[in-house]
Amino acid sequence: KQEVTQIPAALSVPEGENLVLNCSFTDSAIYNLQWFRQDPGKGLTSLLLIQSSQREQTSGRLNASLDKSSGRSTLYIAASQPGDSATYLCAVNTGFQKLVFGTGTRLLVSP
Amino acid sequence: EAGVAQSPRYKIIEKRQSVAFWCNPISGHATLYWYQQILGQGPKLLIQFQNNGVVDDSQLPKDRFSAERLKGVDSTLKIQPAKLEDSAVYLCASSLGVADVTFFGQGTRLTVV
Repeated sequence: KQEVTQIPAALSVPEGENLVLNCSFTDSAIYNLQWFRQDPGKGLTSLLLIQSSQREQTSGRLNASLDKSSGRSTLYIAASQPGDSATYLCAVNTGFQKLVFGTGTRLLVSP
Repeated sequence: EAGVAQSPRYKIIEKRQSVAFWCNPISGHATLYWYQQILGQGPKLLIQFQNNGVVDDSQLPKDRFSAERLKGVDSTLKIQPAKLEDSAVYLCASSLGVADVTFFGQGTRLTVV
């Protein structure tokens, strides 16, 4: 059974810092991995999708890496801003687009 | 492009009552999902449709939950009778294909008292 863990559970940083969020999964047989952002009371917004054959994806200040063999992914946020404050969730696609989610990292960026 | 639409946004019911949620996916998306997100946890898949057929409902409590996707477009999720532990956000999502980005709706926050 696939299990996804995210560390840390919460993170508080001052504006401008670079930061790394971690995601680990127990079964390396995945189709892809997605990072999502969730604002309070809102749905999930997809940030990056990495196919199993890829090593990383970049979008603006965000960079996500995938090491399938070790069951790890990281989300790197450069020059963090208060508007980045949200909960970040990673989800692995175990097949037929069935997503298994981690419990998320709650990020607070203070001005 | 319009996103995934869900209604209602909020619902408060008493235990043992019934409730229904509605979802309209992004146009053209064959795959539709219902997820349950309990406070402080990641979303958990309840049911996945491919067009109007069920792909996975292994985690759907079938004694009280039911879902349908008539005509392969919009979908309804029903709970009858509701329990206190059903209090959660119910998220609908859709995707174009099995390796594509999944788009989520705003969710319906259900409180069972």
